[in-house]
Amino acid sequence: QKEVEQNSGPLSVPEGAIASLNCTYSDRGSQSFFWYRQYSGKSPELIMFIYSNGDKEDGRFTAQLNKASQYVSLLIRDSQPSDSATYLCAGMNTGNQFYFGTGTSLTVIP
Amino acid sequence: GAGVSQTPSNKVTEKGKYVELRCDPISGHTALYWYRQSLGQGPEFLIYFQGTGAADDSGLPNDRFFAVRPEGSVSTLKIQRTERGDSAVYLCASSLLAANEQFFGPGTRLTVL
Repeated sequence: QKEVEQNSGPLSVPEGAIASLNCTYSDRGSQSFFWYRQYSGKSPELIMFIYSNGDKEDGRFTAQLNKASQYVSLLIRDSQPSDSATYLCAGMNTGNQFYFGTGTSLTVIP
Repeated sequence: GAGVSQTPSNKVTEKGKYVELRCDPISGHTALYWYRQSLGQGPEFLIYFQGTGAADDSGLPNDRFFAVRPEGSVSTLKIQRTERGDSAVYLCASSLLAANEQFFGPGTRLTVL
Protein backbone atom coordinates (compact mmCIF):
# COMPACT_ATOMS: atom_id res chain seq x y z
CA GLN A 1 0.00 0.00 0.00
CA LYS A 2 1.30 3.41 -0.94
CA GLU A 3 1.82 5.87 1.86
CA VAL A 4 -0.25 8.52 0.10
CA GLU A 5 -3.03 7.88 -2.39
CA GLN A 6 -4.56 10.37 -4.77
CA ASN A 7 -7.13 10.08 -7.50
CA SER A 8 -5.07 10.64 -10.64
CA GLY A 9 -7.97 12.33 -12.41
CA PRO A 10 -8.09 14.06 -14.72
CA LEU A 11 -10.39 16.48 -12.98
CA SER A 12 -12.05 19.16 -15.07
CA VAL A 13 -13.92 22.13 -13.68
CA PRO A 14 -15.29 25.27 -15.34
CA GLU A 15 -13.64 28.58 -14.66
CA GLY A 16 -14.95 30.13 -11.46
CA ALA A 17 -15.99 26.83 -9.91
CA ILE A 18 -14.55 25.12 -6.84
CA ALA A 19 -12.02 22.38 -7.49
CA SER A 20 -11.77 19.70 -4.81
CA LEU A 21 -8.67 17.53 -4.61
CA ASN A 22 -8.42 14.64 -2.18
CA CYS A 23 -5.71 12.52 -0.69
CA THR A 24 -5.62 9.67 1.84
CA TYR A 25 -2.64 8.45 3.82
CA SER A 26 -1.76 5.22 5.56
CA ASP A 27 0.77 6.22 8.23
CA ARG A 28 -1.18 7.34 11.29
CA GLY A 29 2.05 8.74 12.68
CA SER A 30 2.31 11.30 9.91
CA GLN A 31 1.89 14.77 11.30
CA SER A 32 2.46 17.17 8.44
CA PHE A 33 0.89 17.38 5.03
CA PHE A 34 1.74 19.47 2.03
CA TRP A 35 0.14 20.39 -1.26
CA TYR A 36 2.34 21.12 -4.23
CA ARG A 37 1.41 22.30 -7.70
CA GLN A 38 3.41 21.08 -10.66
CA TYR A 39 3.09 22.51 -14.14
CA SER A 40 4.11 20.28 -17.02
CA GLY A 41 7.88 20.17 -17.34
CA LYS A 42 8.42 22.14 -14.16
CA SER A 43 9.32 21.23 -10.60
CA PRO A 44 6.78 21.14 -7.76
CA GLU A 45 6.00 24.41 -6.02
CA LEU A 46 4.57 24.59 -2.53
CA ILE A 47 0.99 25.81 -2.18
CA MET A 48 0.14 25.05 1.42
CA PHE A 49 1.00 22.91 4.39
CA ILE A 50 -1.20 21.81 7.26
CA TYR A 51 -0.39 20.22 10.60
CA SER A 52 -3.58 20.52 12.62
CA ASN A 53 -7.01 19.00 12.20
CA GLY A 54 -9.48 21.31 10.52
CA ASP A 55 -9.22 23.90 7.81
CA LYS A 56 -6.46 26.27 6.83
CA GLU A 57 -7.17 29.03 4.35
CA ASP A 58 -4.78 31.01 2.19
CA GLY A 59 -6.37 33.20 -0.43
CA ARG A 60 -8.33 31.02 -2.84
CA PHE A 61 -6.90 27.84 -1.34
CA THR A 62 -8.19 25.89 1.65
CA ALA A 63 -6.47 22.80 2.99
CA GLN A 64 -8.43 20.41 5.16
CA LEU A 65 -7.01 17.71 7.42
CA ASN A 66 -8.93 14.95 9.16
CA LYS A 67 -6.51 12.76 11.11
CA ALA A 68 -9.19 10.38 12.34
CA SER A 69 -10.18 9.53 8.78
CA GLN A 70 -6.64 9.97 7.45
CA TYR A 71 -7.50 12.26 4.62
CA VAL A 72 -6.30 15.60 3.38
CA SER A 73 -7.99 17.77 0.82
CA LEU A 74 -7.36 20.96 -1.08
CA LEU A 75 -10.14 23.26 -2.25
CA ILE A 76 -9.50 25.86 -4.89
CA ARG A 77 -12.17 28.53 -5.05
CA ASP A 78 -12.86 30.64 -8.13
CA SER A 79 -10.72 28.31 -10.24
CA GLN A 80 -8.74 29.97 -13.01
CA PRO A 81 -7.27 28.47 -16.19
CA SER A 82 -3.84 29.19 -14.70
CA ASP A 83 -4.67 26.69 -11.93
CA SER A 84 -4.52 23.90 -14.52
CA ALA A 85 -1.68 21.69 -13.35
CA THR A 86 -0.95 18.49 -11.46
CA TYR A 87 -1.49 18.76 -7.71
CA LEU A 88 0.70 16.61 -5.50
CA CYS A 89 -0.20 15.66 -1.97
CA ALA A 90 2.67 14.80 0.36
CA GLY A 91 2.84 13.56 3.90
CA MET A 92 5.78 13.61 6.23
CA ASN A 93 6.17 10.52 8.36
CA THR A 94 7.79 10.22 11.75
CA GLY A 95 11.16 9.63 10.08
CA ASN A 96 10.97 13.01 8.30
CA GLN A 97 10.52 11.33 4.95
CA PHE A 98 8.19 12.97 2.48
CA TYR A 99 5.89 10.60 0.65
CA PHE A 100 4.20 11.98 -2.43
CA GLY A 101 1.08 10.78 -4.13
CA THR A 102 1.03 10.31 -7.87
CA GLY A 103 -0.77 13.63 -8.30
CA THR A 104 -4.16 14.73 -9.59
CA SER A 105 -4.33 16.44 -12.94
CA LEU A 106 -6.63 19.47 -12.88
CA THR A 107 -7.93 21.27 -15.95
CA VAL A 108 -9.88 24.51 -15.55
CA ILE A 109 -11.98 25.13 -18.63
CA PRO A 110 -12.42 28.79 -19.64
CA GLY B 1 16.89 35.43 -2.47
CA ALA B 2 18.15 32.59 -4.63
CA GLY B 3 16.20 29.37 -4.69
CA VAL B 4 17.47 25.84 -5.02
CA SER B 5 19.64 25.40 -8.08
CA GLN B 6 20.57 22.19 -9.87
CA THR B 7 23.11 21.47 -12.55
CA PRO B 8 23.11 20.33 -15.22
CA SER B 9 19.54 20.92 -16.32
CA ASN B 10 19.84 18.08 -18.81
CA LYS B 11 22.25 15.19 -18.97
CA VAL B 12 22.41 12.60 -21.71
CA THR B 13 24.73 9.69 -21.14
CA GLU B 14 25.35 6.20 -22.40
CA LYS B 15 24.53 3.04 -20.56
CA GLY B 16 27.34 2.08 -18.21
CA LYS B 17 28.71 5.59 -17.73
CA TYR B 18 29.09 7.50 -14.47
CA VAL B 19 27.18 10.73 -13.80
CA GLU B 20 27.15 13.38 -11.12
CA LEU B 21 24.22 15.66 -10.45
CA ARG B 22 24.68 18.75 -8.32
CA CYS B 23 22.31 20.57 -6.00
CA ASP B 24 22.86 23.95 -4.36
CA PRO B 25 20.21 24.48 -1.65
CA ILE B 26 18.75 27.70 -0.34
CA SER B 27 21.30 29.39 1.88
CA GLY B 28 20.84 28.45 5.52
CA HIS B 29 18.70 25.39 4.85
CA THR B 30 20.01 22.50 6.89
CA ALA B 31 17.99 19.70 5.32
CA LEU B 32 18.46 18.58 1.73
CA TYR B 33 16.46 15.94 -0.11
CA TRP B 34 16.92 14.07 -3.37
CA TYR B 35 13.98 12.66 -5.32
CA ARG B 36 13.49 10.93 -8.62
CA GLN B 37 10.41 11.56 -10.71
CA SER B 38 9.28 9.51 -13.68
CA LEU B 39 6.59 10.62 -16.10
CA GLY B 40 3.13 10.51 -14.56
CA GLN B 41 4.43 9.73 -11.09
CA GLY B 42 5.00 11.74 -7.97
CA PRO B 43 8.53 12.38 -6.72
CA GLU B 44 10.09 9.26 -5.22
CA PHE B 45 12.23 9.81 -2.14
CA LEU B 46 15.88 8.80 -2.48
CA ILE B 47 17.89 10.28 0.37
CA TYR B 48 17.94 13.16 2.78
CA PHE B 49 20.70 14.98 4.59
CA GLN B 50 20.57 16.81 7.84
CA GLY B 51 23.73 18.89 7.75
CA THR B 52 26.59 16.84 6.36
CA GLY B 53 25.27 13.43 7.24
CA ALA B 54 22.81 11.25 5.37
CA ALA B 55 19.97 11.00 7.86
CA ASP B 56 18.04 8.53 5.73
CA ASP B 57 19.24 6.83 2.54
CA SER B 58 16.58 4.12 2.48
CA GLY B 59 15.20 5.32 -0.83
CA LEU B 60 18.37 4.75 -2.84
CA PRO B 61 17.44 1.94 -5.23
CA ASN B 62 20.77 0.10 -5.12
CA ASP B 63 24.47 0.56 -4.46
CA ARG B 64 25.06 2.27 -7.80
CA PHE B 65 23.54 5.38 -6.26
CA PHE B 66 25.42 7.47 -3.75
CA ALA B 67 25.14 11.04 -2.51
CA VAL B 68 27.37 13.35 -0.50
CA ARG B 69 27.09 16.70 1.16
CA PRO B 70 30.59 17.26 2.55
CA GLU B 71 30.21 20.79 3.86
CA GLY B 72 26.55 20.77 4.70
CA SER B 73 25.56 22.88 1.73
CA VAL B 74 26.02 21.66 -1.86
CA SER B 75 25.17 18.03 -2.50
CA THR B 76 26.14 15.70 -5.30
CA LEU B 77 24.17 12.64 -6.35
CA LYS B 78 26.41 10.10 -8.02
CA ILE B 79 25.21 7.25 -10.21
CA GLN B 80 27.62 4.55 -11.32
CA ARG B 81 27.17 2.20 -14.28
CA THR B 82 24.03 3.97 -15.41
CA GLU B 83 21.17 1.92 -16.79
CA ARG B 84 18.34 2.95 -19.09
CA GLY B 85 15.93 2.57 -16.18
CA ASP B 86 17.75 5.39 -14.39
CA SER B 87 16.31 7.86 -16.90
CA ALA B 88 14.12 10.30 -14.98
CA VAL B 89 14.05 13.81 -13.60
CA TYR B 90 16.14 14.07 -10.47
CA LEU B 91 14.82 16.69 -8.10
CA CYS B 92 16.53 18.28 -5.16
CA ALA B 93 14.71 20.09 -2.38
CA SER B 94 15.82 21.90 0.74
CA SER B 95 14.14 22.98 3.93
CA LEU B 96 15.16 25.13 6.84
CA LEU B 97 14.81 22.17 9.17
CA ALA B 98 13.94 18.57 8.39
CA ALA B 99 10.33 18.87 9.52
CA ASN B 100 9.59 22.00 7.51
CA GLU B 101 8.15 22.53 4.07
CA GLN B 102 10.51 21.78 1.20
CA PHE B 103 11.40 23.96 -1.75
CA PHE B 104 12.36 22.28 -4.97
CA GLY B 105 14.99 23.03 -7.54
CA PRO B 106 14.28 22.91 -11.28
CA GLY B 107 15.52 19.34 -11.58
CA THR B 108 18.02 17.52 -13.78
CA ARG B 109 16.60 15.49 -16.61
CA LEU B 110 18.78 12.41 -16.98
CA THR B 111 18.55 10.36 -20.14
CA VAL B 112 20.49 7.11 -20.39
CA LEU B 113 20.78 5.85 -23.95
